[in-house]
Amino acid sequence: GNSVTQMEGPVTLSEEAFLTINCTYTATGYPSLFWYVQYPGEGLQLLLKATKADDKGSNKGFEATYRKETTSFHLEKGSVQVSDSAVYFCALSPSLGSSYKLIFGSGTRLLVRP
Amino acid sequence: DTAVSQTPKYLVTQMGNDKSIKCEQNLGHDTMYWYKQDSKKFLKIMFSYNNKELIINETVPNRFSPKSPDKAHLNLHINSLELGDSAVYFCASSQGGVNEQYFGPGTRLTVT
Repeated sequence: GNSVTQMEGPVTLSEEAFLTINCTYTATGYPSLFWYVQYPGEGLQLLLKATKADDKGSNKGFEATYRKETTSFHLEKGSVQVSDSAVYFCALSPSLGSSYKLIFGSGTRLLVRP
Repeated sequence: DTAVSQTPKYLVTQMGNDKSIKCEQNLGHDTMYWYKQDSKKFLKIMFSYNNKELIINETVPNRFSPKSPDKAHLNLHINSLELGDSAVYFCASSQGGVNEQYFGPGTRLTVT
């Protein structure tokens, strides 16, 4: 079946540190991959996406590359800010049959300290 | 302009009651969704509608009944509320079934 596995949090970093949040997936076919961010008390916002192998999604200094060979979509940022503190969700949209839904990982909480 | 809106934002009610949550999107999308986020932040699809037709019903108890009066609205009615229904419910919309989804701010339901 389709599933997404994320590294467990919380991840605590100092401001300007390098961030990596690991995400791996299991899916049939060629899913689309997404990172969403949820700030405290808010809904989810799309951060970036990639729709095919080797695509790189990027936004607000965050990047993730769709790696089919390792079934991964790790989120990276070179220098985090306090305002990046949030919960980050990796998600996939299946390409075959059971579209019309997103399958989410369990979320990774990021806490950035000044 | 709010893209996906939900009402109410908070809902506190007692076990056994019936309640509804409303969702509206002004993005012109043809597909709408309901997700449930539990206390551990885990998100799971409940329903999805495409052009007012039910596409996905993910083994949700039949106490939950979605209704889509038009493409811009998807409401969620819950009968005989139980303690385990306490969660945050998110509405979302997209154009088609594989594109990015846009989420509402969520409705925090507390059943006492």
